[in-house]
Amino acid sequence: EAGVTQFPSHSVIEKGQTVTLRCDPISGHDNLYWYRRVMGKEIKFLLHFVKESKQDESGMPNNRFLAERTGGTYSTLKVQPAELEDSGVYFCASSQVSGQNYGYTFGSGTRLTVV
Amino acid sequence: QKEVEQDPGPLSVPEGAIVSLNCTYSNSAFQYFMWYRQYSRKGPELLMYTYSSGNKEDGRFTAQVDKSSKYISLFIRDSQPSDSATYLCAMSHGGSQGNLIFGKGTKLSVKP
Repeated sequence: EAGVTQFPSHSVIEKGQTVTLRCDPISGHDNLYWYRRVMGKEIKFLLHFVKESKQDESGMPNNRFLAERTGGTYSTLKVQPAELEDSGVYFCASSQVSGQNYGYTFGSGTRLTVV
Repeated sequence: QKEVEQDPGPLSVPEGAIVSLNCTYSNSAFQYFMWYRQYSRKGPELLMYTYSSGNKEDGRFTAQVDKSSKYISLFIRDSQPSDSATYLCAMSHGGSQGNLIFGKGTKLSVKP
């Protein structure tokens, strides 16, 4: 079974530019989550998709962040315009069953650096 | 007060030692308790999970949850150099609330 795939693995952009991160969940996993780890802080929840619908987006920091999951397969997370404080590692996770809080599989993350 | 507190370490032990990792939490509504292992440049990988209070054992790993004290532990017996990684505790309310609350992680190094 292929795991959760994220790309790019690294991205360095200038402040004010736009970056789009992509996540391909495990095939058949309806639940897709985005998390972020800012340096020195905990991994924090951003949002949760069930298929193509946003179940919970309470962790999204502000309206510069836009997540989509058209067709209920892969998801994108766009940051526009990027700010210095957006630097960090962005993780995607997927799970088969809603509410199965222990069944996540995480991707390796996208390391975003805004300069 | 943070919802989950975890000593970031680093923690260095000799091979074969018993390792004890801990987290405390403040939210009594948490029902699921997990330990993840994260190697450098990789995503977190689920090691153990426990629902509510109690102990759970899997090979060299034992997870304990004490809800009355809001305290969870992970014990690693006969630690190996391959156990060197960052260990993250995570918790959730359960049900339809899918988001996990993580600790900062403890960096463990097992020396041969």
